[in-house]
Amino acid sequence: EDQVTQSPEALRLQEGESSSLNCSYTVSGLRGLFWYRQDPGKGPEFLFTLYSAGEEKEKERLKATLTKKESFLHITAPKPEDSATYLCAVHGDKIIFGKGTRLHILP
Amino acid sequence: GAVVSQHPSRVICKSGTSVKIECRSLDFQATTMFWYRQFPKQSLMLMATSNEGSKATYEQGVEKDKFLINHASLTLSTLTVTSAHPEDSSFYICSGELSYEQYFGPGTRLTVT
Repeated sequence: EDQVTQSPEALRLQEGESSSLNCSYTVSGLRGLFWYRQDPGKGPEFLFTLYSAGEEKEKERLKATLTKKESFLHITAPKPEDSATYLCAVHGDKIIFGKGTRLHILP
Repeated sequence: GAVVSQHPSRVICKSGTSVKIECRSLDFQATTMFWYRQFPKQSLMLMATSNEGSKATYEQGVEKDKFLINHASLTLSTLTVTSAHPEDSSFYICSGELSYEQYFGPGTRLTVT
């Protein structure tokens, strides 16, 4: 059965303190791995799609990487406005979302 | 680009009534749209996949007679919650697929009293 597990559930960082969010997955035939940002009471905002192990993508302070078992979302020198829930989803036979990591950046 | 809207953003209805939620892709054509529901601090749960001009495909455990989905055009899909009950209260989110990626609407908060 396809599964997605995100860790940690919640993360509090000081402004400027870099860290990584993890998305571990098991899927039969990965067709794509997606990262989204979701603010409270809003729909997810698309960030990245990764298709194959070794692939990396960057956007501002965020960088997503992919291996055969997991993906990392690295956040470099975060700012308070980066506070949000970050969701990972994998597309195998169907698209499955993880529960997300609630990220809080303290000024 | 790839903007999806939903209407209404919030709705309160009485138990036993029906409510319709619209999902529109504003700047692209979405052959496929998806409907999700999300409980507080929980993951998005896929309810159904909607393809323009054909019947929706429902996930296991989702009652298709209760959650009616219509995808009449390449830019509009609707979800009708029929005979709503308090347990149907949730955050409903739709998405449109473009180039294999999903772009989400802002969500609709449904409260059934």
